[in-house]
Amino acid sequence: DIQMTQSPSSLSASVGDRVTITCRASQSVASNLNWYQQKSGKAPNLLIYATSSLQSGVPSRFSASGFGTDFTLTISSLQPEDFGTYFCQQSDSTPYSFGQGTKLEIK
Amino acid sequence: QVQLQESGPGLVKPSQTLTLSCTITGGSVSSGSYFWTWIRQPAGKGPEWIGRLHPSGRTNYNPSLKSRVTISMDTSKNQFSLKLNSVTAADTAMYYCARAVGVTMDYWGQGTLVTVSS
Repeated sequence: DIQMTQSPSSLSASVGDRVTITCRASQSVASNLNWYQQKSGKAPNLLIYATSSLQSGVPSRFSASGFGTDFTLTISSLQPEDFGTYFCQQSDSTPYSFGQGTKLEIK
Repeated sequence: QVQLQESGPGLVKPSQTLTLSCTITGGSVSSGSYFWTWIRQPAGKGPEWIGRLHPSGRTNYNPSLKSRVTISMDTSKNQFSLKLNSVTAADTAMYYCARAVGVTMDYWGQGTLVTVSS
């Protein structure tokens, strides 16, 4: 199974900051990497699929990149509604696996 | 817009079988364009992919659960279901159903909490 590791596990940032979250796979997943945002008590919400494609309705301040084993999610200008926990997920081979999450708090 | 809703008992006794259903509205469980998927998430942890079903009958399961899990569908009710046998406290989690377009899970249900306890 492919293990996904995110860093940091938590961070606190101010409105307007540029925020970057990283995700590393234990083996290559090519470009088969997705990002989700989860708010407390809610289901994960797809933000980005196939490494860098923005899901419909997701603000353009979200972007992502990477290939193989190393990936990043960037929020260019943090907004108050961006708080929550972010998960990466590989969809290269089953069982599809998720990172442990990065909890983002707004200062 | 497609919506998914999980249903089933919130409390299951150890060694028994957990059974959940996912009702689809705004779409058809028979559509060959999608995989119907179950995911679970223990409190405070990352999600765990349980498995998926294609209307052709093809299934893929997480090897860690494969001996205990079955995903099936009921076209008359536009539902798909999860059965997990011989549950223990380690199976306590929020359970989600989701639609997958290819390998991307784009629509999720709101989730249902299942607690395994006597």
